[in-house]
Amino acid sequence: QVQVVQSGAEVKKPGASVKVSCRASGYTFTAYFMHWVRQAPGHGLEWMGWINAGNGNTEYSQRFQGRVSITRDTSASTAYMELSSLGSEDTAVYYCARGVYDPNWNCNCHMDVWGKGTTVTVSS
Amino acid sequence: DIVMTQSPDSLAVSLGERATINCKPSQSVLYSSNNKHCLAWYQQKPGQPPKLLIYWASTRESGVPDRFSGSGSGTDFTLTINSLQAEDVAVYYCHQYYSSRRTFGQGTKVEIK
Repeated sequence: QVQVVQSGAEVKKPGASVKVSCRASGYTFTAYFMHWVRQAPGHGLEWMGWINAGNGNTEYSQRFQGRVSITRDTSASTAYMELSSLGSEDTAVYYCARGVYDPNWNCNCHMDVWGKGTTVTVSS
Repeated sequence: DIVMTQSPDSLAVSLGERATINCKPSQSVLYSSNNKHCLAWYQQKPGQPPKLLIYWASTRESGVPDRFSGSGSGTDFTLTINSLQAEDVAVYYCHQYYSSRRTFGQGTKVEIK
């Protein structure tokens, strides 16, 4: 079945970086996009960026520009999200979510399959 | 960025009654290629990831009960839950995919009255 499986929880110190992985299975990895969305405790969903798993093109939220990098390894059907210069405000659950590409409309469309989330805690 | 404003922030509905959630994008999200609106709705239960309910504003995702429906046009969209069930207690988010830089509404919490 189609699924995306994320790496385990991380605890980081302020100023450090974190890299979260998202391994896809059950579908052709390069035919879709992969988005990253985070959720701080008690807060709503915040979109961070996406990668076109086929050609590697990326788009990032301005809020994280310069601090986030999304990459992929097509041989491993895995996407990665690296966030640098961590602060306590980056403590959150980080989700990857498959982005549907509809070739009929050349649309980078909605997100349909979500990972279970990776908890990142930033604490000194 | 497109701002997505949901209302209300929370609502309490009796079992079997209707719940209505509104979402207002700050600009049109109409995709000219297919004349459909780039708007999706997600349900999130505590401790779980979001689940896709509706896309293209009104297309129900496979496996989603038909008591969930989406409607709207322009800059006014609605998620309706007919005959609310106990398992529908959750936070609901609207999301636009018109812009390459995506945004979500702030969420609406649905509870049982």
